[in-house]
Amino acid sequence: GQQVMQIPQYQHVQEGEDFTTYCNSSTTLSNIQWYKQRPGGHPVFLIQLVKSGEVKKQKRLTFQFGEAKKNSSLHITATQTTDVGTYFCAGPTNSGGSNYKLTFGKGTLLTVNP
Amino acid sequence: GAGVSQSPRYKVAKRGQDVALRCDPISGHVSLFWYQQALGQGPEFLTYFQNEAQLDKSGLPSDRFFAERPEGSVSTLKIQRTQQEDSAVYLCASSSTGRLYGEQYFGPGTRLTVT
Repeated sequence: GQQVMQIPQYQHVQEGEDFTTYCNSSTTLSNIQWYKQRPGGHPVFLIQLVKSGEVKKQKRLTFQFGEAKKNSSLHITATQTTDVGTYFCAGPTNSGGSNYKLTFGKGTLLTVNP
Repeated sequence: GAGVSQSPRYKVAKRGQDVALRCDPISGHVSLFWYQQALGQGPEFLTYFQNEAQLDKSGLPSDRFFAERPEGSVSTLKIQRTQQEDSAVYLCASSSTGRLYGEQYFGPGTRLTVT
């Protein structure tokens, strides 16, 4: 079935350093979503990318969707302690004829040393 | 405004017991999803409702899992004869759209521990 893979699994940075997490799908995605989950919390939607090659920015966060719509990245500039959490990418899966299944990657856990 | 709420937040069940987990989505949201999240993993899709219709239940692990949303708002996920492998956080999410475009709003989850 369709797989969504994320690397790295863990990333520890010093406050002020940059951070990037990568997401790869085994199949072309119609769109990709990014979520953030704080420790002990629930996933919170960050953004959705739809167009091939799309780049979107939210303050210090930059999201990219690959030209082939099979990969995506999230880059955080000058990390802060408030950025701590697990970042998930998720894409629609149509395995088994389902049009409703969102497949999540395993996430990248970001820790920031103040 | 009110977000997605779930109850109970924590549930401890003895192996073999039945449990019922409740989800109150955001009012007016058409779509409702249930996910299972194991420790250190991403959410795994269980089932999807569009209003009261269960359009996809392909992610339910076994016939011990059953979900309903009879009036198109509140949903209940029931697990019969719980097993230790059912221990996980069960997340509910709702969305205002009827397709997989658009933000899903997650509830706080129910942490189920089967002893």
